[in-house]
Amino acid sequence: LAKTTQPISMDSYEGQEVNITCSHNNIATNDYITWYQQFPSQGPRFIIQGYKTKVTNEVASLFIPADRKSSTLSLPRVSLSDTAVYYCLRTNFGNEKLTFGTGTRLTIIP
Amino acid sequence: DGGITQSPKYLFRKEGQNVTLSCEQNLNHDAMYWYRQDPGQGLRLIYYSQIVNDFQKGDIAEGYSVSREKKESFPLTVTSAQKNPTAFYLCASSIPRELHNEQFFGPGTRLTVL
Repeated sequence: LAKTTQPISMDSYEGQEVNITCSHNNIATNDYITWYQQFPSQGPRFIIQGYKTKVTNEVASLFIPADRKSSTLSLPRVSLSDTAVYYCLRTNFGNEKLTFGTGTRLTIIP
Repeated sequence: DGGITQSPKYLFRKEGQNVTLSCEQNLNHDAMYWYRQDPGQGLRLIYYSQIVNDFQKGDIAEGYSVSREKKESFPLTVTSAQKNPTAFYLCASSIPRELHNEQFFGPGTRLTVL
């Protein structure tokens, strides 16, 4: 079973950078790492995806070291609206199934 | 606007009744999915379909049934065989083998069994 491990919850103050780390020790060669964000009573939303090194888009950065056994989602200068659950997933283009864990509940404090 | 719609947003049913949840997409996506989410938990895959007239069981298919007669539609029936149907149900769609394999989710249907 494609499994990732991430903290259950995190708190941060507004304006700070938040880093959420995900462990995936037995990641397969053709697995990518994908992060989704979910607000209460809504469907998850794709944030970012990467394979190795660093990927950046308009909302986040994703750092994946050379051994690919972990990854870190970085949210710059968070605001109250970033309070949500963040899921780290292993995704494989040969298999469209996604496996969601319990995610990390991020709470932004004013 | 393109997107995925689910109806109804809230649904109540009596124990022992079957109920069908609607999911429609106008994104021209080939693949569609149904997930179930319980409080404080992640999503679990019920069924998925990669093409019209074809679908596969996910991790928790028992007590559920689906059909995929049209590309745009993937209704889910929660049968009386599902022992604990109260949950938040999410439908998603994607383009198979597309670069990011991104799934687009609908707003969800919250089912409560009375």
